[in-house]
Amino acid sequence: KQEVTQIPAALSVPEGENLVLNCSFTDSAIYNLQWFRQDPGKGLTSLLLIQSSQREQTSGRLNASLDKSSGRSTLYIAASQPGDSATYLCAVHSSYSSNTGKLIFGQGTTLQVKP
Amino acid sequence: GAVVSQHPSWVICKSGTSVKIECRSLDFQATTMFWYRQFPKQSLMLMATSNEGSKATYEQGVEKDKFLINHASLTLSTLTVTSAHPEDSSFYICSARGVGPHEQYFGPGTRLTVT
Repeated sequence: KQEVTQIPAALSVPEGENLVLNCSFTDSAIYNLQWFRQDPGKGLTSLLLIQSSQREQTSGRLNASLDKSSGRSTLYIAASQPGDSATYLCAVHSSYSSNTGKLIFGQGTTLQVKP
Repeated sequence: GAVVSQHPSWVICKSGTSVKIECRSLDFQATTMFWYRQFPKQSLMLMATSNEGSKATYEQGVEKDKFLINHASLTLSTLTVTSAHPEDSSFYICSARGVGPHEQYFGPGTRLTVT
């Protein structure tokens, strides 16, 4: 059974700092991995999607990496801003459910960027 | 990008009544829609997967007769919480997947409070 873990659960940094959020998964047979952002009381916004054949994806100040063999992904946020404050969720799309599209979510990392 | 809407965004109902939540894909046809629930400070838990024109597939532990899902068209899925109880109070989020891409697009969520 696929399990997704995110560390740390919460993170507080001063504005301008570069930071890394971690996601680990127990079964390396994945189809893809997505990083989402969730603001309080809101839905999810997709940030980056990495296919199993890819090693990283970049969008603006965000860079996500994927190491399938070790079961890890990281989300790197450069030059953090107060507007980056949110909960970041990692979700894995297992190869065994590639037809169904089922995502398994981590518990999330709640980020606070202080001005 | 693809847009998914939910209606209502929040609802308060009395215990014992039923509530219907709509999920619509606004600019693409969603062959598959997913329903999640999220308790405070917790991650998303998949409740069921629905494919247009067929019965929904429920996750283990989710009561089919309590959470009725209908996916009557390629742009609309509904979740009806029947005979709601206070423990059903939660944040319900839907997502939709198109024909080609495997990326899921999430709705803004519906906050259900049962009094």
